[in-house]
Amino acid sequence: AQSVAQPEDQVNVAEGNPLTVKCTYSVSGNPYLFWYVQYPNRGLQFLLKYITGDNLVKGSYGFEAEFNKSQTSFHLKKPSALVSDSALYFCAVRGVTFSGGYNKLIFGAGTRLAVHP
Amino acid sequence: DAGVTQSPTHLIKTRGQQVTLRCSPKSGHDTVSWYQQALGQGPQFIFQYYEEEERQRGNFPDRFSGHQYPNYSSELNVNALLLGDSALYLCASSFTGTVNEKLFFGSGTQLSVL
Repeated sequence: AQSVAQPEDQVNVAEGNPLTVKCTYSVSGNPYLFWYVQYPNRGLQFLLKYITGDNLVKGSYGFEAEFNKSQTSFHLKKPSALVSDSALYFCAVRGVTFSGGYNKLIFGAGTRLAVHP
Repeated sequence: DAGVTQSPTHLIKTRGQQVTLRCSPKSGHDTVSWYQQALGQGPQFIFQYYEEEERQRGNFPDRFSGHQYPNYSSELNVNALLLGDSALYLCASSFTGTVNEKLFFGSGTQLSVL
């Protein structure tokens, strides 16, 4: 079965420091991986995706993610954190489709990022 | 260009009641998916609608049903509400012609069952 794991409930980082939010995945076949961010009282916003190609994927708001097939990981990174980056981050994998059910996503439990001034 | 809109934003119901949540997809999108996000958890896939039919379903009981209209808008119905149905219900839209494109999410409906 397809699944993702986010091992950290919360990540704390000082403003200006680099940040990493971890994600590992388990899939059969090629992984299609996504990162979404959720601000309070808001829906999820797309950050970036990995489908194929370069292992380093660049996304919105200065975020990037590194795909590592051997470690089955897809960690989210940013070189310099901002206080406004504080939010809930979700890693997701596209589910296996049996009858044309595209774009079903399987989400991790989420990691709360707290950036301190 | 309006994004995905959901109504109502908040809802309070009592056990055993029925509820209907509504979603209008982003312009140009023809597929609507519904997710349940319980407190402290990631969103869980409920089902997906395309061409007015349920195309895929997650591990949710038959108390959860849906509908899609010709204009692609969608409804999520939950019957015989349980306390455990309290959650944020998210609607996401996409265009079925782009398999691995991103989903666009609405802000959700916060359902509280008392």
